[in-house]
Amino acid sequence: QQQVKQSPQSLIVQKGGISIINCAYENTAFDYFPWYQQFPGKGPALLIAIRPDVSEKKEGRFTISFNKSAKQFSLHIMDSQPGDSATYFCAASRSEAGGFKTIFGAGTRLFVKA
Amino acid sequence: GAGVSQSPSNKVTEKGKDVELRCDPISGHTALYWYRQSLGQGLEFLIYFQGNSAPDKSGLPSDRFSAERTGGSVSTLTIQRTQQEDSAVYLCASSLYPLADTQYFGPGTRLTVL
Repeated sequence: QQQVKQSPQSLIVQKGGISIINCAYENTAFDYFPWYQQFPGKGPALLIAIRPDVSEKKEGRFTISFNKSAKQFSLHIMDSQPGDSATYFCAASRSEAGGFKTIFGAGTRLFVKA
Repeated sequence: GAGVSQSPSNKVTEKGKDVELRCDPISGHTALYWYRQSLGQGLEFLIYFQGNSAPDKSGLPSDRFSAERTGGSVSTLTIQRTQQEDSAVYLCASSLYPLADTQYFGPGTRLTVL
């Protein structure tokens, strides 16, 4: 019930293409779904996040699609650029006594070919 | 302002030795988290601090692992009698308050146990 399953493990996309990364969760208590971007040698950084009261959130070239009934959410990177090459982690969080529990997916290594 | 800092950036140690990893969170952030990232893996939650107390130690893999936080600021993760399977990147994150959504990560400490 605590797992967040992320796919694919790795992804190669041509410059200008659309990158799509999918995640699925089990625990319906999760109420916040962030995506983190991590470049080599750096810590993850928040990219975009969504709450389950909306089905889509867009920020620039990055869009989260959320399907509450299916317990799935995905990250779409439009017009992918070589600079987007990084590891992407989805996560699911829920408030609980004393704090905020966040479970991360295993990550997707994205490579955008120039 | 300064982000989350961690030291050392790299640590090589021999099996059986003790190591201490340090995290300096963003000033004013009351919540602090430790994660472990093994090669090609996701982020494994270790422990969470709210102020100086640790409401959630559920992720510590064994009693060889311990952490403390003093003065509501700097935290130290200690691994005793290190084993080769402890080799990983240890990431620290902080957030403004315990229920804050966004965690800000440090660059990590890469631990190699020979």
